[in-house]
Amino acid sequence: GQSLEQPSEVTAVEGAIVQINCTYQTSGFYGLSWYQQHDGGAPTFLSYNALDGLEETGRFSSFLSRSDSYGYLLLQELQMKDSASYFCAPVDNFNKFYFGSGTKLNVKP
Amino acid sequence: DTEVTQTPKHLVMGMTNKKSLKCEQHMGHRAMYWYKQKAKKPPELMFVYSYEKLSINESVPSRFSPECPNSSLLNLHLHALQPEDSALYLCASSQEEGVGSYEQYFGPGTRLTVT
Repeated sequence: GQSLEQPSEVTAVEGAIVQINCTYQTSGFYGLSWYQQHDGGAPTFLSYNALDGLEETGRFSSFLSRSDSYGYLLLQELQMKDSASYFCAPVDNFNKFYFGSGTKLNVKP
Repeated sequence: DTEVTQTPKHLVMGMTNKKSLKCEQHMGHRAMYWYKQKAKKPPELMFVYSYEKLSINESVPSRFSPECPNSSLLNLHLHALQPEDSALYLCASSQEEGVGSYEQYFGPGTRLTVT
C-alpha cells in the first residue's frame, strides 16, 4: 500500500527558513525524492535521499528518517522565486513512482 | 542535453477525434513515463516504459494508448476522450525505472482540452 502526507500550504517571508514535512507509508520503500513545480510549469527534481540523514544542495536540504517513515525539505534564505508547489515522491522497488499531494509555498516580501 | 520535448503544447479535440501526443528525449534514458495532471493536483502516473517495453499501466482507460517506437520517443494516442480527460499531460524520463526513477526529467507538457 501507499500513503503520503504533506501540509497543503505554507506561507513564509523572504529571507526566512521553511520546512516542508512528508510522512509516508510505502511498501518496498527505497528512497524519497523532492520536486518543485511552479504554476504552469513542469516538475523539476530537487533532491533525493536513499539513506538516513541530511542532503544539502545549495539553499535546499532534504532529510530522511527511514525508521520514522518521515522526511522533510528545508529551504533557506527564501526568495520570491521559491513560491511554488513542492512534492515528495517515494521511490519503491516495485517500480512505481507517486507524488504526494503537494505543499504550496507562498513567499511574501 | 537534459531536455525532454513534448508536442503539441496545446491541443483541443472533440470527443470523436483521434490525436497523438509526442515526447522525445536524447539523454539515453531507458525509462519513460506519462503523467496526467489536473489543476491544483499532483501528477498522476499513467504509464511507464522501460527499455521500450510497457512496464506499468496504472489501470488507464483504453481510450489512452501509449506507444514507444524507440528508446528516444514516446507517444500517447488519444481516441474517444471525455471532457473529464482535459488536463496537462506530462512526459518524463529517467535513467532506469524502479530504484533508478528517483530523478525524472519532465517535458513542459501538453495542455489538452476535450470539447
